[in-house]
Amino acid sequence: DGGITQSPKYLFRKEGQNVTLSCEQNLNHDAMYWYRQDPGQGLRLIYYSQIVNDFQKGDIAEGYSVSREKKESFPLTVTSAQKNPTAFYLCASTPLREETEAFFGQGTRLTVV
Amino acid sequence: GQSLEQPSEVTAVEGAIVQINCTYQTSGFYGLSWYQQHDGGAPTFLSYNALDGLEETGRFSSFLSRSDSYGYLLLQELQMKDSASYFCAVRSLDSNYQLIWGAGTKLIIKP
Repeated sequence: DGGITQSPKYLFRKEGQNVTLSCEQNLNHDAMYWYRQDPGQGLRLIYYSQIVNDFQKGDIAEGYSVSREKKESFPLTVTSAQKNPTAFYLCASTPLREETEAFFGQGTRLTVV
Repeated sequence: GQSLEQPSEVTAVEGAIVQINCTYQTSGFYGLSWYQQHDGGAPTFLSYNALDGLEETGRFSSFLSRSDSYGYLLLQELQMKDSASYFCAVRSLDSNYQLIWGAGTKLIIKP
């Protein structure tokens, strides 16, 4: 079955560590996105990519980095510069940039310990 | 700037009808989407409106009035499994066509 796979489901980070969240899709979608969700809030865009080897900052890119070396993969690194990284992270994809329906992975819950 | 407003919580009874409203402020409006998210899960797409009027998909309908910058999601014949958070999201020229999300409405259904 086609879909988006995020791993791990739960991740614990120590202060000062970088961690990388994985996102893989087999839907052959061009565009991929990373969102952050805090309790009781909507989704905020971190980064997005419309084609391989290209990506754009979203509203809250500071302290995060991404790469898009393959169409299927869009990993997110939460760096030590992100001072409040505890959140639920969601990866999504759409066939094209302006497609109306976004498909989501099951999310990664990151906690700082 | 861009903003969306929706109620934080709505309570309804199983079998009833509930309406979740969404008002938005943006320039270069492109479309309004609705997503459902169960606790701890991923958002799933429900509907999309680009033009004024009502779109019906089974028990769920979505309405848009571009002149009023307003839309709503209508859920009929409520079932306990409909207990979830519902998000409206706007796509606009202002956001470079990326989705801007409301804070979500938690729907509580009582038997």
